[in-house]
Amino acid sequence: DAGITQSPRYKITETGRQVTLMCHQTWSHSYMFWYRQDLGHGLRLIYYSAAADITDKGEVPDGYVVSRSKTENFPLTLESATRSQTSVYFCASSEWATIYFGEGSWLTVV
Amino acid sequence: ELKVEQNPLFLSMQEGKNYTIYCNYSTTSDRLYWYRQDPGKSLESLFVLLSNGAVKQEGRLMASLDTKARLSTLHITAAVHDLSATYFCAVDKDNQGGKLIFGQGTELSVKP
Repeated sequence: DAGITQSPRYKITETGRQVTLMCHQTWSHSYMFWYRQDLGHGLRLIYYSAAADITDKGEVPDGYVVSRSKTENFPLTLESATRSQTSVYFCASSEWATIYFGEGSWLTVV
Repeated sequence: ELKVEQNPLFLSMQEGKNYTIYCNYSTTSDRLYWYRQDPGKSLESLFVLLSNGAVKQEGRLMASLDTKARLSTLHITAAVHDLSATYFCAVDKDNQGGKLIFGQGTELSVKP
């Protein structure tokens, strides 16, 4: 089915470990985004990508790394997870003014 | 720095009543989004407002945008329990579709 999918949906990891959250979209949208949502807050932009091999920082990029070697994939890596990175992560893609969000990845760092 | 502020942050209302959620933002933007989020779920797109004076309606919800006042409103008419959720407004900081700055969200509870 067409859409935007995230994996894993739920993850518990330990402080200091590397974690990668995957995002895949089937529409070939140019723009893709990673947001995080913390309890009681709206979403905050971590990184975005305008096209394959083009990425840029958002509001809260520290501690995260992204890559985009293919248009359809936009993985987000926490190189050394910290408890402050416990959050819900949403991937999104957009075409013109329409933005599509994935189902979210719930990450707990213990 | 672009800031987006919603009020109220919490809203408890009775079924059948009307109410308005306000979304103020601090810099010029022509694109504003409204989303609904149920607990443990992703964001559901409600409205995309792309120009000054834009007004959109869907069922009991109506959204408007005044870019000169930097204000958007989400009006709820004759609320029903199924509208209970958290509502977010978000402003596209670069008018490019996706680099959104979100408000804090308004948690709406509609009681019988």
